[in-house]
Amino acid sequence: TQLLEQSPQFLSIQEGENLTVYCNSSSVFSSLQWYRQEPGEGPVLLVTVVTGGEVKKLKRLTFQFGDARKDSSLHITAAQPGDTGLYLCAGEKNTGFQKLVFGTGTRLLVSP
Amino acid sequence: EPEVTQTPSHQVTQMGQEVILRCVPISNHLYFYWYRQILGQKVEFLVSFYNNEISEKSEIFDDQFSVERPDGSNFTLKIRSTKLEDSAMYFCASRSGTVGSPLHFGNGTRLTVT
Repeated sequence: TQLLEQSPQFLSIQEGENLTVYCNSSSVFSSLQWYRQEPGEGPVLLVTVVTGGEVKKLKRLTFQFGDARKDSSLHITAAQPGDTGLYLCAGEKNTGFQKLVFGTGTRLLVSP
Repeated sequence: EPEVTQTPSHQVTQMGQEVILRCVPISNHLYFYWYRQILGQKVEFLVSFYNNEISEKSEIFDDQFSVERPDGSNFTLKIRSTKLEDSAMYFCASRSGTVGSPLHFGNGTRLTVT
C-alpha cells in the first residue's frame, strides 16, 4: 500500500506567519502533485513536481520534491486568510496514467 | 476553461437502493477516475477507466460498484445496493493523455444513505 502521510494534520496560524506542510512516504513516486480543496468543491491542482530535488515556486508557495522522490514539502510565506483550505499531496507511481494516491491532508486555517 | 461536471450535487437514498452518479469529463480527456471522500477523511481512489474499460480498481470497488461510459461523453458510477457506509462525497476526475498531466476534478456528489 502506497501511504502518503501528511503533517501536521491541522494548522491554525495568524496572518503573516510562515508554515511548512510535509508529505512523507516509504514509496518512490514518479511524480507528486499538490492540490488544494475548498469546502464543497473538488481538489484543484497547485503544482506537479517530477525530478528529485526539484523546487517550484508559485507566488508565496514553495514546493520541494525530495531527492529520493519519497517526500515533498509545501512552504507558505506570509500566509493570508485566503490560503485557508485543505492541502493534499498526491503521488503517482509510474507515468502510465495510473491512479493518484492522496495523502492524509493538512487543514490550514489562517486568521486575520 | 473546460471543467468536469457532476450531477446531482446531492443525492439522498435509502439503504439497499441503487444510485447512479453522473459525470461529464473534459471532452478531449482520455483517462477517467472516481474517488470518494468520507467526511473528514482522506480522498480515496475507487476506479480508473481508459479505452472503455477499467484499468485499475481499489478494494473499495467491490461487486456493488460499476462504471460505464455509455455514450462517449458521460461517465457514470453505479452503486447497486447502497449501504450506510457508502455515504461520502464522490468525485469524478479526468486527465488528458499528456505525461504528468493533472487530474481535473468535478465538484462532487454528496451521497447520503439513510
